[in-house]
Amino acid sequence: KAGVTQTPRYLIKTRGQQVTLSCSPISGHRSVSWYQQTPGQGLQFLFEYFSETQRNKGNFPGRFSGRQFSNSRSEMNVSTLELGDSALYLCASSLAGVSYEQYFGPGTRLTVT
Amino acid sequence: AQSVAQPEDQVNVAEGNPLTVKCTYSVSGNPYLFWYVQYPNRGLQFLLKYITGDNLVKGSYGFEAEFNKSQTSFHLKKPSALVSDSALYFCAVRDPRDDKIIFGKGTRLHILP
Repeated sequence: KAGVTQTPRYLIKTRGQQVTLSCSPISGHRSVSWYQQTPGQGLQFLFEYFSETQRNKGNFPGRFSGRQFSNSRSEMNVSTLELGDSALYLCASSLAGVSYEQYFGPGTRLTVT
Repeated sequence: AQSVAQPEDQVNVAEGNPLTVKCTYSVSGNPYLFWYVQYPNRGLQFLLKYITGDNLVKGSYGFEAEFNKSQTSFHLKKPSALVSDSALYFCAVRDPRDDKIIFGKGTRLHILP
């Protein structure tokens, strides 16, 4: 089975721009979660989607949004980028329920200049 | 408030010695507990989980973890460390009442040859 894929792998953007990151989960997985990883804050949960519905949301400003499509693929959007948004964005998929482990993609490294 | 603590930023262990990576949590009720590992230049990988049942759970690569409800801990252990175990380890807790997941800050494990 193919793993979780994320595109693009690297991205450089300018302050004020917006960005869209994409995630394709493992086949058959219906839950997709997004995380922001930085050296100072560690892994912080952004949001989780299950069957096209946002099931949970972390404590991030409204500039961070996401969606999930009927094929379980997910996108994450960040508008009005700030320097502090520079991070590794990780996508993870799991089968369904909250007791299931997550499988992580390689991440998208976003640099905001 | 829910929280996860990994009290040690770094743990150094000689190869062949037993290792322990600590994790304590503050979640009401019966949380789901997970350990993940992040090897250099590789994505996060699932190691093991505790949902219910036997307090000692066994996972990948010879790792195990013990759930201690009274001490609200879920320490990761391995009887004999390998140099290849050197990586960043994350403890995660999921509250099934609200589905929220929290990751610890991570513990960097160095196995010395």
